[in-house]
Amino acid sequence: GENVEQHPSTLSVQEGDSAVIKCTYSDSASNYFPWYKQELGKGPQLIIDIRSNVGEKKDQRIAVTLNKTAKHFSLHITETQPEDSAVYFCAAPRGHAGNMLTFGGGTRLMVKP
Amino acid sequence: DSGVTQTPKHLITATGQRVTLRCSPRSGDLSVYWYQQSLDQGLQFLIQYYNGEERAKGNILERFSAQQFPDLHSELNLSSLELGDSALYFCASSVTGGGYEKLFFGSGTQLSVL
Repeated sequence: GENVEQHPSTLSVQEGDSAVIKCTYSDSASNYFPWYKQELGKGPQLIIDIRSNVGEKKDQRIAVTLNKTAKHFSLHITETQPEDSAVYFCAAPRGHAGNMLTFGGGTRLMVKP
Repeated sequence: DSGVTQTPKHLITATGQRVTLRCSPRSGDLSVYWYQQSLDQGLQFLIQYYNGEERAKGNILERFSAQQFPDLHSELNLSSLELGDSALYFCASSVTGGGYEKLFFGSGTQLSVL
């Protein structure tokens, strides 16, 4: 099955700075990589995803990059704001079923005003 | 609001007991997933249902069972509870349960086993 490692486990940045969270996966056949954001008291919410046929995807201040050769993908948040403070999870499919996801351990991002 | 409803929000019970967690998916979604979130294990996939049928099984203990009813709501039954079962249990739903679909998570049920 898929194994997903996520780093760092905690990340503290100053408002306006960039934040980068990295994940590695084990199954070279994995082809879909979503990122979820979990705010306090809520369930995870999808913020961006990428498929293996592209190397980068952007949506306003967030972007995800994928390196299939090295089997790692990263979340980039630019111009961070206090409302970006949350726990972020990367994920990859278990086997070849895109919707059964193995999640990384999570990164607690704190944006200091 | 994701549109996925989970009840109850909090549940406190004792070891050895049995509880039932309930989930109503988003309107139109046919697939329901159950995840367990604990501090030491992170977010773990338990089981997936599609239109009433079990589609995939993950790290679900034999003491746990689930089902999806004709109206598409789902229940997760946890029996012979142990202290280690204390966790946040999430339900998620998606349209078809196929690949690459966005999962919509509920707010979870916090289970405390004392």
